[in-house]
Amino acid sequence: DSGVTQTPKHLITATGQRVTLRCSPRSGDLSVYWYQQSLDQGLQFLIQYYNGEERAKGNILERFSAQQFPDLHSELNLSSLELGDSALYFCASSVEATALAKNIQYFGAGTRLSVL
Amino acid sequence: GESVGLHLPTLSVQEGDNSIINCAYSNSASDYFIWYKQESGKGPQFIIDIRSNMDKRQGQRVTVLLNKTVKHLSLQIAATQPGDSAVYFCAEIITGANSKLTFGKGITLSVRP
Repeated sequence: DSGVTQTPKHLITATGQRVTLRCSPRSGDLSVYWYQQSLDQGLQFLIQYYNGEERAKGNILERFSAQQFPDLHSELNLSSLELGDSALYFCASSVEATALAKNIQYFGAGTRLSVL
Repeated sequence: GESVGLHLPTLSVQEGDNSIINCAYSNSASDYFIWYKQESGKGPQFIIDIRSNMDKRQGQRVTVLLNKTVKHLSLQIAATQPGDSAVYFCAEIITGANSKLTFGKGITLSVRP
């Protein structure tokens, strides 16, 4: 168990809908990262938050947004869903904000999103 | 842009044999590398890391080798066990502010009993 908790484990929804994925980081970790994993794209970095502030952005669509709350849990909001958004969404957490050696990212078990 | 790639999509090994999983990286500025293991239904799990000032690092049954000359990374698993069956990812990063971890596409290791 990595200590990172993601809910829900599975989500099935229809095109055009909006969903919210939730992540609780490991105790003591201030950074949260979101990744999308699909068969043809592998693990793609979406966005990072550190202590409530956006820290880095990757290949995140404008239809997607995230936030990190004062209790450090994070939510990833996906709106106007398309079939191609079906994927596994992972959250990871680490202690530090910057990319340092030993600032290991620990991953949750993921949320499997199916858009029908 | 720069990317991390794996040479083989799948690798099948006999239980008890040693496994070698290879990875090529293209960003010569990357100075820190990590191997992750992802079992079915789980998130990636940290296995071992190596900094660019090293060429070898050993863990428990695993060894990572780094050849910066040819930008090649490998993960060696000794006495492969059924529990080693998973997808393995290499990842690279340039340490410092605003740098992100870049993952390779992954390789499936299948252990035959």
